[in-house]
Amino acid sequence: DAGVIQSPRHEVTEMGQEVTLRCKPISGHDYLFWYRQTMMRGLELLIYFNNNVPIDDSGMPEDRFSAKMPNASFSTLKIQPSEPRDSAVYFCASSFSSGGWTDTQYFGPGTRLTVL
Amino acid sequence: AQKVTQAQTEISVVEKEDVTLDCVYETRDTTYYLFWYKQPPSGELVFLIRRNSFDEQNEISGRYSWNFQKSTSSFNFTITASQVVDSAVYFCALSESLNTGFQKLVFGTGTRLLVSP
Repeated sequence: DAGVIQSPRHEVTEMGQEVTLRCKPISGHDYLFWYRQTMMRGLELLIYFNNNVPIDDSGMPEDRFSAKMPNASFSTLKIQPSEPRDSAVYFCASSFSSGGWTDTQYFGPGTRLTVL
Repeated sequence: AQKVTQAQTEISVVEKEDVTLDCVYETRDTTYYLFWYKQPPSGELVFLIRRNSFDEQNEISGRYSWNFQKSTSSFNFTITASQVVDSAVYFCALSESLNTGFQKLVFGTGTRLLVSP
């Protein structure tokens, strides 16, 4: 079975450029999460969706960050304009809900973003 | 607020040694889940185990075993006869119930395990 798919795996861009990260969750999962991992702050939850609807974006650091989920099999995280401090590994994860509980989150391979 | 503490930042062992990674948590929830994830040098986060708060039975999977003790709020992870391929950062995580009905994951800071040949 295919796991969570993310693209690109690596992205190098210059400050001020727009960056779009992509994610395909595991089929059948109704929750999708975007995380950011840095040495200083560890793993941070940025935003999560349930049935394609954004539920909580309180972790999104600034208005420069936006996320969409147009359908059950695709989500994007966009940074516009990008800044060097956005350099991090961005993970997408998905899970399904059962019995009122959100089940195990399965993570994609991550996108390593470097903003010069 | 929920909190997960992994006091060991880095552990170095020689192959075939047993090693235990400690995880201590704080929660006000009566029902919660605990997790372990592995992050190898390649960078992905790999799910290892999920345990609910009502199940204190120890679990063994091959060389891996987990010891859950509610009395000490600990969920420790032991690797028996460690191998070089076990070298990774290991994260313990705890579910935190939110008003939305969703359970957020609270991660510890991770323990880096280095197994040398």
